[in-house]
Amino acid sequence: AQKITQTQPGMFVQEKEAVTLDCTYDTSDQSYGLFWYKQPSSGEMIFLIYQGSYDEQNATEGRYSLNFQKARKSANLVISASQLGDSAMYFCAMRENGYSGGGADGLTFGKGTHLIIQP
Amino acid sequence: GAGVSQSPRYKVAKRGQDVALRCDPISGHVSLFWYQQALGQGPEFLTYFQNEAQLDKSGLPSDRFFAERPEGSVSTLKIQRTQQEDSAVYLCASGTTATDTQYFGPGTRLTVL
Repeated sequence: AQKITQTQPGMFVQEKEAVTLDCTYDTSDQSYGLFWYKQPSSGEMIFLIYQGSYDEQNATEGRYSLNFQKARKSANLVISASQLGDSAMYFCAMRENGYSGGGADGLTFGKGTHLIIQP
Repeated sequence: GAGVSQSPRYKVAKRGQDVALRCDPISGHVSLFWYQQALGQGPEFLTYFQNEAQLDKSGLPSDRFFAERPEGSVSTLKIQRTQQEDSAVYLCASGTTATDTQYFGPGTRLTVL
């Protein structure tokens, strides 16, 4: 089973609208971290937001917020008031802090969502 | 301050050649990670260093892939006898600790002909 699932390969959104990018995860660890990264066409992965599994409040960073629903194992990214510069690939990633398998020290990424903001 | 830098940004190799990809992490970052990103996919973990120690190399796809970080700062990913399936973007990331946020470099796009 995939550890990170992003079900939206692509999304078109009108400028200034809010957008929600979906992410579900699968882990048996009690302690883990969830990340969202933005990858514009230039290729660099830009860190957006982090949520720890024990954090009781949803993380927020400027226009970005993470809708963390632990029981449902979902960590959706919400971008408020979208801008043209938000057009990019968005990746959800998880770090498992236990020893549940190989690559436990690295991040596991989803396949990404290609977001296009239309004027 | 300066972010993670990688060189070269682009590399074209003939099948069978050896290549070396360099990563300069953010100064003071203890942890360093290498990832491989195939076209249209998310990055996949290759290997992890804490200072000069390679603590996890479970993601390296074959024994043709070798990584080192001899002085605990700059790291080199070496691929011997490159194959076409090695064509990908190779991303380096660093963090203050193993569990801290990872900050990525711009990547090296490797094309094997």
